[in-house]
Amino acid sequence: GQQVMQIPQYQHVQEGEDFTTYCNSSTTLSNIQWYKQRPGGHPVFLIQLVKSGEVKKQKRLTFQFGEAKKNSSLHITATQTTDVGTYFCAGGAQKLVFGQGTRLTINP
Amino acid sequence: GAVVSQHPSRVICKSGTSVKIECRSLDFQATTMFWYRQFPKQSLMLMATSNEGSKATYEQGVEKDKFLINHASLTLSTLTVTSAHPEDSSFYICSAPGTASTDTQYFGPGTRLTVL
Repeated sequence: GQQVMQIPQYQHVQEGEDFTTYCNSSTTLSNIQWYKQRPGGHPVFLIQLVKSGEVKKQKRLTFQFGEAKKNSSLHITATQTTDVGTYFCAGGAQKLVFGQGTRLTINP
Repeated sequence: GAVVSQHPSRVICKSGTSVKIECRSLDFQATTMFWYRQFPKQSLMLMATSNEGSKATYEQGVEKDKFLINHASLTLSTLTVTSAHPEDSSFYICSAPGTASTDTQYFGPGTRLTVL
C-alpha cells in the first residue's frame, strides 16, 4: 500500500533558525496536506497542495509540492517558540496516510 | 472552520471493560468519519472509516469485533473498544471531511484511553 516517509524524525533548533521537514511518498499523490500537532493536542490542518510544483506561503511557512507529486517540504523561516510541535504530512484523498511526523523543539 | 468534538477527552478503565468514544460534527454533517489511533510519539494510523447508514470499513489488521463503530446519524459516530486491554491504551482521534473540500480533514480533540 501507499507509504509516506517523513524526515527528520526530530529537529532541535535555536529560536530564529530555520527549519525544514521533508516528505516522500511511494506513489504519486493527488494532493498532500500538512498538519501541526502541539504537544498534548490534536492535528490541525495547515494547508493542502494539489498542483505539481506548487508553492504556497503562510507568513513564515513555505510549502512545496514536487514536480512528480511524490514529495513535499515544509520550511519555516526564523522559528519562534510558538512553532513547537510535530508537523505531519499526509497524502491521499479522504483516507489520509500520514508520515511519521517531525517533532520540532526550539531553544529560546 | 468546521468543528469536531470528542467525548470523553480522557478515560481510565479496568482491563476487560468496554469503553465508548463519541465523535460529533458540531456545525456540519458528515456522512463519513475516520477513526485514528496514535501511540505516544508516533504517527496517526487510520483504523477505520465510519459510514453513516452502512457498515464501517476497517483497515488491515484492525479487529472489527474489538473496535465497534456505529455511525448513528449525520453528526455522530461512536467507537467502542470492547474488552479493553492495556495494549489498547492510546490516543484515539476522529476526523471528518470538510464540506468545502472533502480532502481536508477536521480532527476532533482526541480521547486518551488508559487501560489498567
